[in-house]
Amino acid sequence: AQRVTQPEKLLSVFKGAPVELKCNYSYSGSPELFWYVQYSRQRLQLLLRHISRESIKGFTADLNKGETSFHLKKPFAQEEDSAMYYCALMGQGAQKLVFGQGTRLTINP
Amino acid sequence: DAGVTQSPTHLIKTRGQQVTLRCSPKSGHDTVSWYQQALGQGPQFIFQYYEEEERQRGNFPDRFSGHQFPNYSSELNVNALLLGDSALYLCASSLGGLGYTFGSGTRLTVV
Repeated sequence: AQRVTQPEKLLSVFKGAPVELKCNYSYSGSPELFWYVQYSRQRLQLLLRHISRESIKGFTADLNKGETSFHLKKPFAQEEDSAMYYCALMGQGAQKLVFGQGTRLTINP
Repeated sequence: DAGVTQSPTHLIKTRGQQVTLRCSPKSGHDTVSWYQQALGQGPQFIFQYYEEEERQRGNFPDRFSGHQFPNYSSELNVNALLLGDSALYLCASSLGGLGYTFGSGTRLTVV
């Protein structure tokens, strides 16, 4: 079974503090992992995907196959990072995304 | 390019009725996927259309059906609406199933 778990529904940190949004997955194989973000009043958009190994808006995510995790990190949070974040996976040969429940990140000034 | 457009933006229906939601994909995209997002939950995959055929389907009953037209636009139909069908319905388009672009969604309320 494919499953994505985001254990924190809400996360609040102060501006300038480090941020880590947790994501664990269950999949018997090598999935593609993604982080999507939804800012207030905007549509869901791709933040990053693990195969590109990019850093977008200062965010990075490392795939840990041993721990089946794909945590999202940023060293210094900014107020504009406040948003809803979803971790998602796509199985091998599949075309569908399996999403976690999401984490609402609030950056306090 | 307007990206993915969905209509209507909001809809209120009565239990037992039928509803049709529409999606126009981003220019150049040929694949349309539909997701249901209940309040407080992540999006759940309903089905995907490619070359006017349903290519993959999630764990949704047959009351949920769809269609893709030659211009790649798509419809999602839900019959015999239940209160539990109230949700945000998202359409996502892609080229061959890669690189999803999401629409803003249709908010369906069943009363």
